[in-house]
Amino acid sequence: GAVVSQHPSRVICKSGTSVKIECRSLDFQATTMFWYRQFPKQSLMLMATSNEGSKATYEQGVEKDKFLINHASLTLSTLTVTSAHPEDSSFYICSARTSGGPNEQFFGPGTRLTVL
Amino acid sequence: GQSLEQPSEVTAVEGAIVQINCTYQTSGFYGLSWYQQHDGGAPTFLSYNALDGLEETGRFSSFLSRSDSYGYLLLQELQMKDSASYFCAVRLSGGYQKVTFGTGTKLQVIP
Repeated sequence: GAVVSQHPSRVICKSGTSVKIECRSLDFQATTMFWYRQFPKQSLMLMATSNEGSKATYEQGVEKDKFLINHASLTLSTLTVTSAHPEDSSFYICSARTSGGPNEQFFGPGTRLTVL
Repeated sequence: GQSLEQPSEVTAVEGAIVQINCTYQTSGFYGLSWYQQHDGGAPTFLSYNALDGLEETGRFSSFLSRSDSYGYLLLQELQMKDSASYFCAVRLSGGYQKVTFGTGTKLQVIP
């Protein structure tokens, strides 16, 4: 199946700093990528839909100025957590959608963010 | 909005069969998917139902009834490695076909 990578896999940062997470589709082009956040023992919550060449679409309650998304190319989307605080500590997972077929959304391995 | 409810935890014996239910309230979706997630890992796709009925993929089967707003995942011949969290998810209609996940069920397989 299609492969999606994320970098970094783990990051620890100080409160107030910004952190950038990259999501890449390695062997296919993805016009649409999705960013999820997962707190311990909870489900995945969709944060935003990242669209190549246009602005991201954010879910209700997600601050677009805090979670900056840039879909720079058909294989790369980045999520920047700006002025991170301890409550932003979470598991961030991206997925990319291919065209056609039922299993058309592939997930990256996730990024564990810890804000001290 | 959409909501997908699952039992929070299920325990089953190795070699047995277990069913994980998913009841949903949503409108306009293409199909119901099931994902497996081990601790610290990413979700991996298991099964998809676009139409009502049963879909079988090896030891895993999934069922959907749109009239009952209900689906389930059936795991047969349980193995210890099946211990994980399982999520149902709907692929919403609309241009982006966003995927919304259920509350998740933690399955523990015991010897």
